[in-house]
Amino acid sequence: DTEVTQTPKHLVMGMTNKKSLKCEQHMGHRAMYWYKQKAKKPPELMFVYSYEKLSINESVPSRFSPECPNSSLLNLHLHALQPEDSALYLCASRLMANTEAFFGQGTRLTVV
Amino acid sequence: QQQVKQSPQSLIVQKGGISIINCAYENTAFDYFPWYQQFPGKGPALLIAIRPDVSEKKEGRFTISFNKSAKQFSLHIMDSQPGDSATYFCAASNTGGGNKLTFGTGTQLKVEL
Repeated sequence: DTEVTQTPKHLVMGMTNKKSLKCEQHMGHRAMYWYKQKAKKPPELMFVYSYEKLSINESVPSRFSPECPNSSLLNLHLHALQPEDSALYLCASRLMANTEAFFGQGTRLTVV
Repeated sequence: QQQVKQSPQSLIVQKGGISIINCAYENTAFDYFPWYQQFPGKGPALLIAIRPDVSEKKEGRFTISFNKSAKQFSLHIMDSQPGDSATYFCAASNTGGGNKLTFGTGTQLKVEL
């Protein structure tokens, strides 16, 4: 199983809503990532978890809150988002530094 | 120092032609250079990757050329097909970089019949 599964595939939320994005992998990977991707732009790193601990936070606003409940799961909690936060949110995982990173299909988020 | 510069931004190639995409980096600590292919509405998928101890790696129609002294690497797609039409991203990371994977700016490739 070389799959990273993200749910939901699409999400529309109001600026006062609270929602969560979910990511799951069963490859035994110990590094998990959240990326944000705008149209026609490269993925932009948000957070990295290594061995279930937050190792990199790329100065992401606090309205995005990551959580890694166990080695297979990664969540991104969303609260009070802005319309400019609308984007494709990608989860990725890899076994260790400098090995293949596997990406999920992403969650298309629209903030209204 | 974490930046990876990619060119061209877009590329149109005739079917059967060679597509060439170039990347340059500054951080000499980078030691892993993957290329990702992304179709609209999908996540990026690894195409091919190289480490700096080799100058070239070939997998099927895809070849990475790596020039360590110039801090440049490139992707060559031989016999380009319409199904290769996608966005291509180079990327780089280093063992001591906290698992960070930095992407280039992307190249939108269109292969015409």
